[in-house]
Amino acid sequence: KAGVTQTPRYLIKTRGQQVTLSCSPISGHRSVSWYQQTPGQGLQFLFEYFSETQRNKGNFPGRFSGRQFSNSRSEMNVSTLELGDSALYLCASSLTQGFDGYTFGSGTRLTVV
Amino acid sequence: AQRVTQPEKLLSVFKGAPVELKCNYSYSGSPELFWYVQYSRQRLQLLLRHISRESIKGFTADLNKGETSFHLKKPFAQEEDSAMYYCALSAYNQGGKLIFGQGTELSVKP
Repeated sequence: KAGVTQTPRYLIKTRGQQVTLSCSPISGHRSVSWYQQTPGQGLQFLFEYFSETQRNKGNFPGRFSGRQFSNSRSEMNVSTLELGDSALYLCASSLTQGFDGYTFGSGTRLTVV
Repeated sequence: AQRVTQPEKLLSVFKGAPVELKCNYSYSGSPELFWYVQYSRQRLQLLLRHISRESIKGFTADLNKGETSFHLKKPFAQEEDSAMYYCALSAYNQGGKLIFGQGTELSVKP
């Protein structure tokens, strides 16, 4: 079966712009989480959605938002981009809200210039 | 506060030697603990979880609540074990939120 698919793979944006990243979970998985990965901070939790509802949110500013659609696909949006938002953004899906582990996508590499 | 600490950034061993990747956590409740692995140019993937008490690719991990540790062990390292290893914690009432350690890079030399 298809894995977790993230699009686009690479993105270059200018400071001040906004960006939308997309994630298609494994078929049947209703829980989708997002993480930011940077060399300095490592893997940091952004938010988690389950059945279109945000269940958990990490410690990120309000510029970071997300949503989940009825087909479990998820998007995350970052507005007013800052240089420090340059990172690998990972999406992960799970059948049981993570208790059986998450399956990760390859990520979207965002570079803010 | 919930925290996961992996004290070693890099662990280098020779093929056939035992391996122990350390993980300590801080959490007042009953956590779910996981080890994730990322091989070169591959996705982050689940290696094992404490609740299943299984051995994957020869690796085992035991949850020690007294020492708040979840160390990953393998008796005989193989070159293909070289990868980045992340320990992660999920709080009982926050199943969708994983708190990751900073990761340990394991290098197995021939």
